[in-house]
Amino acid sequence: GDSVTQMEGPVTLSEEAFLTINCTYTATGYPSLFWYVQYPGEGLQLLLKATKADDKGSNKGFEATYRKETTSFHLEKGSVQVSDSAVYFCALLLQTGANNLFFGTGTRLTVIP
Amino acid sequence: DGGITQSPKYLFRKEGQNVTLSCEQNLNHDAMYWYRQDPGQGLRLIYYSQIVNDFQKGDIAEGYSVSREKKESFPLTVTSAQKNPTAFYLCASMLRGAGTEAFFGQGTRLTVV
Repeated sequence: GDSVTQMEGPVTLSEEAFLTINCTYTATGYPSLFWYVQYPGEGLQLLLKATKADDKGSNKGFEATYRKETTSFHLEKGSVQVSDSAVYFCALLLQTGANNLFFGTGTRLTVIP
Repeated sequence: DGGITQSPKYLFRKEGQNVTLSCEQNLNHDAMYWYRQDPGQGLRLIYYSQIVNDFQKGDIAEGYSVSREKKESFPLTVTSAQKNPTAFYLCASMLRGAGTEAFFGQGTRLTVV
């Protein structure tokens, strides 16, 4: 069935390190793909999205490219900051179906000074 | 400003009592969702609704009930049948259509004592 698999955490990085959080998906049709971020005690916020193959979503220095051939949408940032510490969720939205929104399990990122 | 509001932010109840969590949105979104999040865990879908007066069970609906009498409102009742109700509850809404993102409330932390 349709699903999202993302990298297990937690991930701990030093400030200014390079970040990659892997996300792969299984879906029928042509889903839209998203990364959400959750700060402690809050709801999820959209970080970036891509709606078709080869699209690159970007925001706040984060990037992810929709790779249909590898069914992936890996999140990257060249230089993380302490303020990036949060939980990151990969998600997909199918074009059809009653329940068409699927989330990964989340990856906790901690950035240390 | 448009948004999605959950209330209250913190809720304490005695074991055996039913409790209702509020979720209101003024974004004119058709679809609304309820998720449960346990510490260090991902999101688990409780109920979702694509249109007014219709809703569907998610993966963990047992012990919960919902209603969707108005487009703007999707309250969740945690009943005494829910064995372990202490958790963080998140409500989300979105337009129906490809590429649209979900908007989340700030969450309600329910503690049953």
